[in-house]
Amino acid sequence: QVQLVQSGAEVKKPGASVKVSCKASGYTFTSYGISWVRQAPGQGLEWMGWISAYNGNTNYAQKLQGRVTMTTDTSTSTAYMELRSLRSDDTAVYYCARVRSHGIHLDYWGQGTLVTVSS
Amino acid sequence: QSVLTQPPSVSGAPGQRVTISCTGSSSNIGAGYDVHWYQQLPGTAPKLLIYGNSNRPSGVPDRFSGSKSGTSASLAITGLQAEDEADYYCQSYDSSLHGVFGGGTKLTVL
Repeated sequence: QVQLVQSGAEVKKPGASVKVSCKASGYTFTSYGISWVRQAPGQGLEWMGWISAYNGNTNYAQKLQGRVTMTTDTSTSTAYMELRSLRSDDTAVYYCARVRSHGIHLDYWGQGTLVTVSS
Repeated sequence: QSVLTQPPSVSGAPGQRVTISCTGSSSNIGAGYDVHWYQQLPGTAPKLLIYGNSNRPSGVPDRFSGSKSGTSASLAITGLQAEDEADYYCQSYDSSLHGVFGGGTKLTVL
């Protein structure tokens, strides 16, 4: 069965960086992409970007351009999302989700990773 | 301010029918991009509920249905059950293939 298992919660200081991992299993990793979505406490969902696990192509949300980098390691079927220059409003649960190809639905989601940014 | 507009809340009694609207623009839904719906139960990750405007993934009851027209879409839930109490989000894309979400709708089963 398809599973996306994310890394554990993180606490970071403002200005630091965080790297969240998302390990995929139960399907051919390179046949799909991974999208990242975040949810601030008590708020809605925010699309962060997408990466193709096939060729590493990426597409990032405008507001995160320059601060976010998405990568994949096909040898371990793991996707990564790194966010730099953290601010307090980056505090959120970060989700990875599988997507068959860019521009369609997110069919399986990871369990989420809480990132807290606090001094 | 979300790109897609949803009502903040809807409610209904068990067995009733409710609908949740999702309004976009000519830059996203109206440009022909499909609408997808996700259900988020309290304290859990979102789950795909409807994809491609009106298709249900395996395992989703046929009480859930979706439709799209012009720059809007809607999710209908018939035969409301207590377990349907959750947050519902619509999602589409814009011309840069950036994902866009609605602000979410909290469904309360009375």
